[in-house]
Amino acid sequence: AQKITQTQPGMFVQEKEAVTLDCTYDTSDQSYGLFWYKQPSSGEMIFLIYQGSYDEQNATEGRYSLNFQKARKSANLVISASQLGDSAMYFCAMREGNTGNQFYFGTGTSLTVIP
Amino acid sequence: DVKVTQSSRYLVKRTGEKVFLECVQDMDHENMFWYRQDPGLGLRLIYFSYDVKMKEKGDIPEGYSVSREKKERFSLILESASTNQTSMYLCASQNWQGAPGELFFGEGSRLTVL
Repeated sequence: AQKITQTQPGMFVQEKEAVTLDCTYDTSDQSYGLFWYKQPSSGEMIFLIYQGSYDEQNATEGRYSLNFQKARKSANLVISASQLGDSAMYFCAMREGNTGNQFYFGTGTSLTVIP
Repeated sequence: DVKVTQSSRYLVKRTGEKVFLECVQDMDHENMFWYRQDPGLGLRLIYFSYDVKMKEKGDIPEGYSVSREKKERFSLILESASTNQTSMYLCASQNWQGAPGELFFGEGSRLTVL
């Protein structure tokens, strides 16, 4: 079974609108972390936001928020007030356990912001 | 800011050639990783290193080897390049003792094997 599932290969959003990128995960661990990365066409993966499995509040970082629904095992990324510079690939990732080195990545969602 | 530098952004090699991809990080991180990225497959772990001279195989180690002689440097080696190794290669480092323990990535090395 896939550890991280991103079901939206491509998404379009109008500039200044909000967009939600879906991510579901599969783990039997109690302790895990969820991450979102942005990859512009330049290639570098940029860390956006993190949610720990024990965090009760949804994580927020500027225009990014993570809609964490633990029972449903979903960790959707919400980008508010989209900008042209948000056009990129977005990857959801999970780190299992406490050792820190076991990461699983989804297949990514390509977001295009339309002027 | 953490800086992860990959030696080559673009490489073109011939089948059978030996290929070295080098990665250097400047933040004294213990953990370093090599991933391969292909469209529709996401990132797949090739090798992981948690200390100098220490390494662990990832999900797709076949055809690859690694070297970590110094803490800041992690090299990926393709002993005999093949066309199915044409891909984007991403190096990452991690301070696993620091929350949240995110991976810091280099800009990637796009390898084409002819």
